[in-house]
Amino acid sequence: GNSVTQMEGPVTLSEEAFLTINCTYTATGYPSLFWYVQYPGEGLQLLLKATKADDKGSNKGFEATYRKETTSFHLEKGSVQVSDSAVYFCALTDGVTGGGNKLTFGTGTQLKVEL
Amino acid sequence: NAGVTQTPKFRILKIGQSMTLQCAQDMNHNYMYWYRQDPGMGLKLIYYSVGAGITDKGEVPNGYNVSRSTTEDFPLRLELAAPSQTSVYFCASSYIGENQPQHFGDGTRLSIL
Repeated sequence: GNSVTQMEGPVTLSEEAFLTINCTYTATGYPSLFWYVQYPGEGLQLLLKATKADDKGSNKGFEATYRKETTSFHLEKGSVQVSDSAVYFCALTDGVTGGGNKLTFGTGTQLKVEL
Repeated sequence: NAGVTQTPKFRILKIGQSMTLQCAQDMNHNYMYWYRQDPGMGLKLIYYSVGAGITDKGEVPNGYNVSRSTTEDFPLRLELAAPSQTSVYFCASSYIGENQPQHFGDGTRLSIL
């Protein structure tokens, strides 16, 4: 079956530091890959996505590249802000037509950014 | 823009009680989903629906039931509440297509004592 593995948190950084959150996956077929973000007390929001190998998703200064050879989709940001403090989830859909677009999630990585 | 609306936001149940978690979306999405989020465990899919009248089990369906009589609504029913069902429940919806992102509600925090 499909699975997603994320680095454990919490990750604590100083403002303006460089961020990497590792994500690797196992999937059959041709998955699409996503990063979702969850702010305290809220539901998940899509941060970025990539739908095929070598695609780069980007949004709000965050980037992730779909690496099929290493089955990875690591999240990066060059300079984090206090407002980036949240839980980040890596996820995939299995790409099966008619499969209902079901997501498989990683366990989430909590990011804390301090002044 | 309402998006996905879940009610209630919080609820405490006694063991053996039943309740329905409501979910409504106003984006005309065909696909809808119910997840539970346990600490440190990510989100697990309970049930999903690809359209009105069509539902299917996800990874953790035991103890839950769903129905989808309209495109907009996708209620989740707990018939005999158990402590193991204490969790945060999220409803989501999306357009048809493998690459479509899911849109989430703000969640229902449920405690069973």
